[in-house]
Amino acid sequence: GAGVSQSPSNKVTEKGKDVELRCDPISGHTALYWYRQSLGQGLEFLIYFQGNSAPDKSGLPSDRFSAERTGGSVSTLTIQRTQQEDSAVYLCASSLARGPPPYEQYFGPGTRLTVT
Amino acid sequence: AQSVSQHNHHVILSEAASLELGCNYSYGGTVNLFWYVQYPGQHLQLLLKYFSGDPLVKGIKGFEAEFIKSKFSFNLRKPSVQWSDTAEYFCAVNAYTGGFKTIFGAGTRLFVKA
Repeated sequence: GAGVSQSPSNKVTEKGKDVELRCDPISGHTALYWYRQSLGQGLEFLIYFQGNSAPDKSGLPSDRFSAERTGGSVSTLTIQRTQQEDSAVYLCASSLARGPPPYEQYFGPGTRLTVT
Repeated sequence: AQSVSQHNHHVILSEAASLELGCNYSYGGTVNLFWYVQYPGQHLQLLLKYFSGDPLVKGIKGFEAEFIKSKFSFNLRKPSVQWSDTAEYFCAVNAYTGGFKTIFGAGTRLFVKA
C-alpha cells in the first residue's frame, strides 16, 4: 500500500517568506508526527497529532511554526517569516495508536527546506 | 521529560567487525523502545522494537538490541557488520504521557569500510 508522502520534496525560499509543507499519512493511521532533521542534530520532535485530541505542540521552536491536521488525515506544517536557521529536512511520520503497543512510525521522504 | 542519549556520533568499522551502539534514555515509566535506520538516500525505517517480554530483541539484517531496565539502556549490536550497514542509526523512546510522543536520539553515523 501507499506509504507516507510529503510535498514538496524540495523548497527554496527567501528569508521572511512563509512556507507550507504537506504530509499525507498512511490511511488508517491516527497518529501523525512532524520532526526536523538538521545536520548533526538528529531528529527534533516538533508536533504530534493523535485522533481528535489536542495536538502536542511542545516541540515547536517558536510561534512562527504551526501545524494543522484536517479531517484526521492530511497535515500541513506552516513556517511564517522563515529564517536561515529554519533550513533543514522536515520529516513526517504516521503510526497506529490503538491496540497493543509498540507503535512503529512510518516515515515519509521529507521536505528539504532551504532559506536563502 | 523524556530524553534519549546516543553516546557515539560517528563510528568507523571494517567489515566483519562487531558493532555496539549505545543508547540510554531517561523516563521512569513503561517505555517502548526502537532503533530506526536511515540508509543513504532512503527513508527512516524500523530496525527493531521492544515493548515487553524477552529483553533481547532481534531485528532485521542480523541486528539485535538488549533492554537493560536497571541501566535505562537499549544498546544495538551486530556480531559482524557489512559494508551495506553504512547508515545513520537512531534510538527512540516512546512512552505514554497523555499521548505517545516519541523522542529520538541524535543519531550515530556508521561507516563500514569494505
